[in-house]
Amino acid sequence: DGGITQSPKYLFRKEGQNVTLSCEQNLNHDAMYWYRQDPGQGLRLIYYSQIVNDFQKGDIAEGYSVSREKKESFPLTVTSAQKNPTAFYLCASSIAVTGNTGELFFGEGSRLTVL
Amino acid sequence: AQSVAQPEDQVNVAEGNPLTVKCTYSVSGNPYLFWYVQYPNRGLQFLLKYITGDNLVKGSYGFEAEFNKSQTSFHLKKPSALVSDSALYFCAVIKWGAGNMLTFGGGTRLMVKP
Repeated sequence: DGGITQSPKYLFRKEGQNVTLSCEQNLNHDAMYWYRQDPGQGLRLIYYSQIVNDFQKGDIAEGYSVSREKKESFPLTVTSAQKNPTAFYLCASSIAVTGNTGELFFGEGSRLTVL
Repeated sequence: AQSVAQPEDQVNVAEGNPLTVKCTYSVSGNPYLFWYVQYPNRGLQFLLKYITGDNLVKGSYGFEAEFNKSQTSFHLKKPSALVSDSALYFCAVIKWGAGNMLTFGGGTRLMVKP
């Protein structure tokens, strides 16, 4: 079945450590996104990528980094510079960004807790 | 600023009763509006969208939404609620500009009681 796979589902990190969240899709979608979800704040866009080897900052990119070396993969690194990294992270994809009709396909999410 | 607002943090309804989850929007240009649903510890699932055409849009699981341009609203509705409809619902709009990104409201928790 086609879809988006995020791993790990739960992750604990000590302060000062970097951590990488994996996102893989087999939908053959060009565009991929990372969102952060905090209670009562909805979803906020961290980074997005329209094509391989290209990505753009979203609304809250500080303290995060991404790469897009393959169409299927869009990993997110939460660096030690991110001041409040505890959150639920969602990866999504869509056929294309330009003229986006808004139908995003989401993974199951990764819950990061900083101890 | 281009955005959507969901004025209710939580909506409580009894099973079998009609439900409404409210959403208002503010965009520069034509509004492309969406509803998504999220079950606990899961990703979001697309329910329905309004791009153009009929103001009443039908979607998945018996949900529908009514676009009202004069009130800048896009309320989600269902004639008869099920306990299994209990979830977090997000309204979203395309924010016209760089990348034409989807911007989400804060979410409304729907609780359907037996």
